[in-house]
Amino acid sequence: QVPLQQWGAGLLKPSETLSLTCAVYIGSFSGYSWSWIRQPPGKGLEWIGEINHSGSTNYNPSLKSRVTISVDTSKNQFSLKLKSVTAADTAVYYCARVITGTTWLAYYYYYFDVWGKGTTVTVSS
Amino acid sequence: SYELTQPPSVSVSPGQTARITCSGDTLPKQYAYWYQQKPGQAPLLMIYKDNERPSGVPERFSGSTSGTTVTLTISGVQAEDEAVYYCQSADRGDCVFGGGTKLTVL
Repeated sequence: QVPLQQWGAGLLKPSETLSLTCAVYIGSFSGYSWSWIRQPPGKGLEWIGEINHSGSTNYNPSLKSRVTISVDTSKNQFSLKLKSVTAADTAVYYCARVITGTTWLAYYYYYFDVWGKGTTVTVSS
Repeated sequence: SYELTQPPSVSVSPGQTARITCSGDTLPKQYAYWYQQKPGQAPLLMIYKDNERPSGVPERFSGSTSGTTVTLTISGVQAEDEAVYYCQSADRGDCVFGGGTKLTVL
């Protein structure tokens, strides 16, 4: 089984809402936070946001007004919605497991140890 | 938000040592992480908490830090190491990636 299996519509028109879901088949769903990351064609990685099992979220300030990340603990799934898409939102979207916490010396850590395979989303009229 | 700066490209011959840097004003206060991405694949975690290596990552990959710069070192580079490498750091509620460095094995 693929550890993180993601799916969603791959072709959108401008102004529509992007919707992706990631199903988790690895480890304890409730013990982790979960994140979405995207990568425009030929460009680098951009963190979109995260959610923990209780539904607490953090979003990239540049996308915050358009993004909603939600969780369904009964299905071990989390989802991304990005509204009012434009061509600039064309990218490969990845879901990922977050490892986060604080060391005994109070240093904060936050990184991604398991990634989905990615979903290509194209926005075009 | 803040920025992490990486060189666009680094080239080395097989067997040599590759060093990929990542600079950012917040790095003295934050851990850095490194990911390897090959064409058509998702990123793969190579280094976490500045210099720790996940199980399964070859020992030739190591991380170090000095002030506002962190470095990924690949000793004895192999052809299979050709990829784009991204650094990443985070503070509570925010996460940033560097622009990526294309490692070419000559």
